[in-house]
Amino acid sequence: KAGVTQTPRYLIKTRGQQVTLSCSPISGHRSVSWYQQTPGQGLQFLFEYFSETQRNKGNFPGRFSGRQFSNSRSEMNVSTLELGDSALYLCASYPSTGGHEQFFGPGTRLTVL
Amino acid sequence: AQSVTQLDSQVPVFEEAPVELRCNYSSSVSVYLFWYVQYPNQGLQLLLKYLSGSTLVKGINGFEAEFNKSQTSFHLRKPSVHISDTAEYFCAVTTFFGNEKLTFGTGTRLTIIP
Repeated sequence: KAGVTQTPRYLIKTRGQQVTLSCSPISGHRSVSWYQQTPGQGLQFLFEYFSETQRNKGNFPGRFSGRQFSNSRSEMNVSTLELGDSALYLCASYPSTGGHEQFFGPGTRLTVL
Repeated sequence: AQSVTQLDSQVPVFEEAPVELRCNYSSSVSVYLFWYVQYPNQGLQLLLKYLSGSTLVKGINGFEAEFNKSQTSFHLRKPSVHISDTAEYFCAVTTFFGNEKLTFGTGTRLTIIP
């Protein structure tokens, strides 16, 4: 089975722009979560989606949003980028039930200048 | 809400020596516990998990961890490390109650000295 894929892998944007990151889960997985990783704050939970519905949301401003499509693929969007949004954004997918193991993608490295 | 504390931000160890990476958690409800490893420029890979049952859990690459409920700890151990174990290690918890949000510790950077 192919693993979790994230596109793009690297991205450079300037302050005030917006960005969309994409995540394709492992085939058959219906749940997707997003995490932000920074040197200062570590790994922080952004959102969780199951069957196109946001099931859980972390403590991030409204500039951060996401969605999930019927094929379980997910996107996250950050509007009005700030320097502090520079981070590695990780997506994880998992089956809807059981196991609780989350399979992580390689991440998208976002740099905001 | 739950939290995870990894007391050691960096651990240098000589090759073939044993290592223990410490993890303590806090939660008002029962939790599931995980250790993930992150190699440079990569995502997270699951090493092992504790869901229930035996408190000694064996994972990949020769790692094991022991769940201690009274001490709210889940320390990771390996009896003999290799250069290839150089990476960052994260302890994480999630709760039983229907959502899969992982709460991570701040990570421990393991450096193997040849």
